[in-house]
Amino acid sequence: DAGVIQSPRHEVTEMGQEVTLRCKPISGHDYLFWYRQTMMRGLELLIYFNNNVPIDDSGMPEDRFSAKMPNASFSTLKIQPSEPRDSAVYFCASSLLGTGGFNYGYTFGSGTRLTVV
Amino acid sequence: TQLLEQSPQFLSIQEGENLTVYCNSSSVFSSLQWYRQEPGEGPVLLVTVVTGGEVKKLKRLTFQFGDARKDSSLHITAAQPGDTGLYLCAGPNTGGFKTIFGAGTRLFVKA
Repeated sequence: DAGVIQSPRHEVTEMGQEVTLRCKPISGHDYLFWYRQTMMRGLELLIYFNNNVPIDDSGMPEDRFSAKMPNASFSTLKIQPSEPRDSAVYFCASSLLGTGGFNYGYTFGSGTRLTVV
Repeated sequence: TQLLEQSPQFLSIQEGENLTVYCNSSSVFSSLQWYRQEPGEGPVLLVTVVTGGEVKKLKRLTFQFGDARKDSSLHITAAQPGDTGLYLCAGPNTGGFKTIFGAGTRLFVKA
C-alpha cells in the first residue's frame, strides 16, 4: 500500500485566495482525520470522518474552513478565504477501529506545508 | 480535560548516549502510543502499550506504560543520528475516537 497520500506537498498563496488540500486514505481504513501542526500549538485535530460521515468538526477554527469526504478514497480540506495565520503544516491521517473500539493507531500522510502571504 | 505532558521539550545529545523521555497525565488512558516524526514528514507510529506495567522493546527503544496507566516512558540506548526527530505520545480520549497528542520531545543526536 502506498500509504496516505496528500497533495500538494507545498502551497504558497496570497491572503484571500481559496486553498484546497487533498487526501487519499489507506484503502479499508474507516476513519479519516485532518490535523494542523504549528510550533506554537503542536498537532491540533480539525475534523474527523467515520465511513465518509463527519463526526466531529469542533476543531475547525472558523467558517472559513470546510472539509468533505465524498467517497472512501478521497477527502478535501478547503480554506476560503485564506489568511496568514492559517500558515501551518496540514496532515491527513487514516485509521481502522478494531474489535471493542481498540485504536490501532494512525497512518499519517507527509503533510501539506501551507504558506499564506 | 485529558492532557498529555511530555518532558523534556528539547534534548540534544551525542551519538552513543542513552536517554529517557517522559509522557505524563493526571488521567487514566486505556492505551498510549508513541510516534516519531522526522523533519518534513508525518508522524509514524512506533508502538502501542495497553496493559499497566507493560514493557515493549523495538531494537534500541524501550517503551514502558505506568502501572496506573497515567504515564509512559521511552528509553533509547546508544542513540544514533537516525534517532533524531520529534517524539510524540498519544492516547485515546474518553468516550470517543479522538486521539490526544502531547506537545512532543524534540531529540537531536549529534554524530
